[in-house]
Amino acid sequence: QVQLVESGGDVVQPGRSLRLSCAASGFTFSSHGMHWVRQAPGKGLDWVACIWYDGTKTYYADSVKGRFAISRDNSKNTLYLQMNSLRAEDTGLYYCARSISSAAYDVWGQGTMVTVSS
Amino acid sequence: SYVLTQPPSVSVAPGQTARITCGGNNIGSKSVHWYQQKPGQAPVLVVYDDSDRPSGIPERFSGSNSGNTATLTISRVEAGDEADYYCEVWDTSSDHPGVFGGGTKLTVL
Repeated sequence: QVQLVESGGDVVQPGRSLRLSCAASGFTFSSHGMHWVRQAPGKGLDWVACIWYDGTKTYYADSVKGRFAISRDNSKNTLYLQMNSLRAEDTGLYYCARSISSAAYDVWGQGTMVTVSS
Repeated sequence: SYVLTQPPSVSVAPGQTARITCGGNNIGSKSVHWYQQKPGQAPVLVVYDDSDRPSGIPERFSGSNSGNTATLTISRVEAGDEADYYCEVWDTSSDHPGVFGGGTKLTVL
């Protein structure tokens, strides 16, 4: 079945780095744009970044631009999020999501938790 | 950057109709998507491109979009519809185009 499984979340100190992964299965990964969306504890959804189906274009929220990098390996059906210079406000559950027309996210993973704390 | 405004909460009795709004400047010119999120679960797409429903979503869920307001309508509300609902657009004029509304908590009385 169509599935996204995130991994890589952890507890890290401010200023450190972390790399999240999202393994896709059950669909043609290379045909879809992919996104990262996060949710701070008790808060709403916050779009983080996206990458086109072929990896040629990327977009970032202002809050992470210059610190985070989204990438993908279509040969491994895997999406990544490299997070550098982490801040306390980056704490949250990070979801990867598949997009269809007009950037609607029709498939979501269960999320991986990132906690930034000293 | 583009801003989407949702009411924090909406309450409705079972069997009645719930309407959740999403306000944005000329939002009628954009495609709006709606997500349902229950506690401890990932969001689920319930309406996309203003008014289309993914397979498996009941016909009770519908959407509209015009002017400065998009609306998610849930007819014949059931207890299981109690959840947080988020609207979302893709602002193609921006270099940070993903935008979510702040979310609306739907309470079934």
